[in-house]
Amino acid sequence: KAGVTQTPRYLIKTRGQQVTLSCSPISGHRSVSWYQQTPGQGLQFLFEYFSETQRNKGNFPGRFSGRQFSNSRSEMNVSTLELGDSALYLCASRERTDLNTEAFFGQGTRLTVV
Amino acid sequence: AQKVTQAQTEISVVEKEDVTLDCVYETRDTTYYLFWYKQPPSGELVFLIRRNSFDEQNEISGRYSWNFQKSTSSFNFTITASQVVDSAVYFCALRGRYSGGGADGLTFGKGTHLIIQP
Repeated sequence: KAGVTQTPRYLIKTRGQQVTLSCSPISGHRSVSWYQQTPGQGLQFLFEYFSETQRNKGNFPGRFSGRQFSNSRSEMNVSTLELGDSALYLCASRERTDLNTEAFFGQGTRLTVV
Repeated sequence: AQKVTQAQTEISVVEKEDVTLDCVYETRDTTYYLFWYKQPPSGELVFLIRRNSFDEQNEISGRYSWNFQKSTSSFNFTITASQVVDSAVYFCALRGRYSGGGADGLTFGKGTHLIIQP
């Protein structure tokens, strides 16, 4: 089985622009979550989608949004980019949304805002 | 609020030494799960183990072992006879009903950077 695929791997954007990141989960997995990783704040949960619906959301401003398609692929969008949005964005897929179901992560998209 | 603390920011040992990574958590949930992940330089988080709040049995998998103690809210990870390939950042994480600012998101510790010197 192919793992979680995130594209692109690296991205450089200018402050004020918007960006869209893509995540393809493991085949058969219907849950996709997004996490932001920065040196200062560490790994923080952004949101989770299941069957095209957002299940829950972390403590991030409305500039961060996402969606999930019928094939379970997910996109994350950040509008009006700020320098502080520079981070590694990790996507994780799960087969189910039970508490005990482990998440499998992609290699991430490294976003640099200049 | 949920919280996971990994007090050791960086640990450096010589190959073949044993090393223990500490993880302390806080939660008000009675049902929760604890996880350990490894992050090599390539970036992806690799799942290592899961433990539920009702199962305090220690677990051993090859050179890896985990010690879960509910009384001290700790879930420590030991690597025996460390190898250079074990070098990575290791994260402890918690998932409870209301973790991560919403139900079911993982709450991560800040990670421990483990360096195994040859």
